[in-house]
Amino acid sequence: QSELTQPPSVSGAPGQRVTISCTGSSSNIGATSGIHWYQQLPGTAPKLLIYGNNNRPSGVPDRFSGSKSGTSASLAITGLQAEDEANYYCQSYDSSLSGYVFGTGTKVTVL
Amino acid sequence: EVQLLESGGGLVQPGGSLRLSCAASGFTFNTYAMSWVRQTPEKGLEWVSGIHPGGGGTYYADSVKGRFTISRDNSKNTLSLQMNSLRAEDTALYYCAKLKRYVDNWPMDYYFDYWGRGTLVTVSS
Repeated sequence: QSELTQPPSVSGAPGQRVTISCTGSSSNIGATSGIHWYQQLPGTAPKLLIYGNNNRPSGVPDRFSGSKSGTSASLAITGLQAEDEANYYCQSYDSSLSGYVFGTGTKVTVL
Repeated sequence: EVQLLESGGGLVQPGGSLRLSCAASGFTFNTYAMSWVRQTPEKGLEWVSGIHPGGGGTYYADSVKGRFTISRDNSKNTLSLQMNSLRAEDTALYYCAKLKRYVDNWPMDYYFDYWGRGTLVTVSS
C-alpha cells in the first residue's frame, strides 16, 4: 500500500489542461522540501519530469508544472498533447519508513 | 550522456539467489548515491535499496532488509544488488537509478534523475 495517493486516471482533449493530485502525510510530503514527478511512457523506464516541486530538467516542455502545499502536491499539464499519454508518479521520502516512496500512479489519456 | 545498464535478471526458484549489476557511464560515478527501484503492475514503483557515493552507507526497504545487499565498485563504475532468500513477491522489473540532491538534506530531499531500462526478475517454481 503506497503512502502517496494519486487518482488512477485522468483524461482530457488535446489542448486542455489536466491536473494530477498526490496526497501524502506529515511523514512524507509534509516533511520534505520538494516533491518530484516522473513520466513513464508505455514500455519504457520512468523519466524525471519535475524535481523540487516545480523545476523542469532540460528538455521537459514548460507545459508541465508542479506545486506543493502542506501534505499534498499536484502536477499540471497544459495544452495536452497526444504524446503526453503515459503514467505519472509522484515521489517523496517517508521519515517513518526511512525510505523513498512513490505515488500509486496516474494514467493520463488524451481523448 | 548518462547511461545505466542493468543485467543479471532471470528466473529463479523461491529461496534462491540472484545478483543484479548496473554498469554506469557518462557521469562521475563515485560522487553520486545510487539506488535500486522495482516495479510490478500490482504494486507500482517500490524503492528497494540505496547506497552512499563512497559505499559506506547502505539503506533498505523493510520488505528486503536482511535478504538483499547493495554494493558498489567505484573503480569499475558498477552498482550491484545481491538478492538472497527470494520470494514470489520479489518478482519485478528492477531498475538501477542515480540519485541527485534537491537540497542538502540527505536522504530526504533527493530524487532519481536517471534510470536504466531495467532487468526482469521472476521468482517461481
